[in-house]
Amino acid sequence: GAVVSQHPSWVICKSGTSVKIECRSLDFQATTMFWYRQFPKQSLMLMATSNEGSKATYEQGVEKDKFLINHASLTLSTLTVTSAHPEDSSFYICSARDQRTQYFGPGTRLLVL
Amino acid sequence: GQNIDQPTEMTATEGAIVQINCTYQTSGFNGLFWYQQHAGEAPTFLSYNVLDGLEEKGRFSSFLSRSKGYSYLLLKELQMKDSASYLCAVSYNTGFQKLVFGTGTRLLVSP
Repeated sequence: GAVVSQHPSWVICKSGTSVKIECRSLDFQATTMFWYRQFPKQSLMLMATSNEGSKATYEQGVEKDKFLINHASLTLSTLTVTSAHPEDSSFYICSARDQRTQYFGPGTRLLVL
Repeated sequence: GQNIDQPTEMTATEGAIVQINCTYQTSGFNGLFWYQQHAGEAPTFLSYNVLDGLEEKGRFSSFLSRSKGYSYLLLKELQMKDSASYLCAVSYNTGFQKLVFGTGTRLLVSP
């Protein structure tokens, strides 16, 4: 199956700093990528749809100025958590879509102190 | 909203068969996916159903009834490594084919 990578796999940062997470589709081009957040023992919640060459589409309740998404190329999308706070600590997962399904990256665990 | 309902937890014994149900709202339905997720890891794709019927893939099978808004994932010959969360996700008719996930079913397989 298709491969999607994420970097970093985990990050610990101080409150108020910004954190950038990269998502790459390694063996296919993805015009659309998705960013999810998952809290412990909960399911995936879609944050935003990342579109190559245009602005991201955010889900209701997700602050676009706090979670900046840039889909720079057909194989790379980045999520920047700006001015991170402890409540932003979560498991962030990206996915990239081909014609049939979504393939998920390995996730990034963020801990904000 | 587009509610996806699954049981929260299920338990079963090694070698047994377990069926995990999923119900969803049918309006705008495009397809249904099942993913497996081990603790601390990202989901992995198991199956995709768009037409009514049963799709069999080794020990795992997935069934869909579009008219009833119902699907199930059937796991046969359970192994300890099958202990995981199983996520039902529905694709609705949006421009980006985004998925709406259910809450997930945590399956515990005991010896």
